[in-house]
Amino acid sequence: DAGVIQSPRHEVTEMGQEVTLRCKPISGHDYLFWYRQTMMRGLELLIYFNNNVPIDDSGMPEDRFSAKMPNASFSTLKIQPSEPRDSAVYFCASSFSSSNTEAFFGQGTRLTVV
Amino acid sequence: GNSVTQMEGPVTLSEEAFLTINCTYTATGYPSLFWYVQYPGEGLQLLLKATKADDKGSNKGFEATYRKETTSFHLEKGSVQVSDSAVYFCALSAEGGKLIFGQGTELSVKP
Repeated sequence: DAGVIQSPRHEVTEMGQEVTLRCKPISGHDYLFWYRQTMMRGLELLIYFNNNVPIDDSGMPEDRFSAKMPNASFSTLKIQPSEPRDSAVYFCASSFSSSNTEAFFGQGTRLTVV
Repeated sequence: GNSVTQMEGPVTLSEEAFLTINCTYTATGYPSLFWYVQYPGEGLQLLLKATKADDKGSNKGFEATYRKETTSFHLEKGSVQVSDSAVYFCALSAEGGKLIFGQGTELSVKP
């Protein structure tokens, strides 16, 4: 398996534009996590899914952020409209049957909003 | 609620020095505990884990013991190398599958 695949690796966009980040989890994994990493706030859990269903989205900062998982092999994180303070590295991770198993991380998407 | 607290960095050591990075947690139930490592420009990768009290996780010379009585999972290595320079994250996996990370500790090892 190629691991967790995220795209794009880098995204530069203007304030107010819509941004969509994509993630393909490892085949067979039933948990998918979206994290945001910044120098100021560290690694924050935004939302996670189990079997394609959102379980906890309490970390999603505002209504401008939304995430979907239409099937077991694909998830998106959308920011609309984007703001400069959304600039961060966004990671997707997946795991199999939660608590005792490790989560595998993608390489991340570095988002810059200017 | 569930949370993880790590010692603040950056930690700067000379090669072959002893490393300790402290991690304590707050959790309901019996979480699994993890240490992840992040090299520059990369995602996090699992370093070691422990799934129950008194378990010791180990990998690449790193060790950590799950101490329920002190709610701790400190990371140790007897002799660090320059290649160990990275950011280290302590994490717990709570009921319902939620994976919670500490704030990370940057380690810099000088030759």
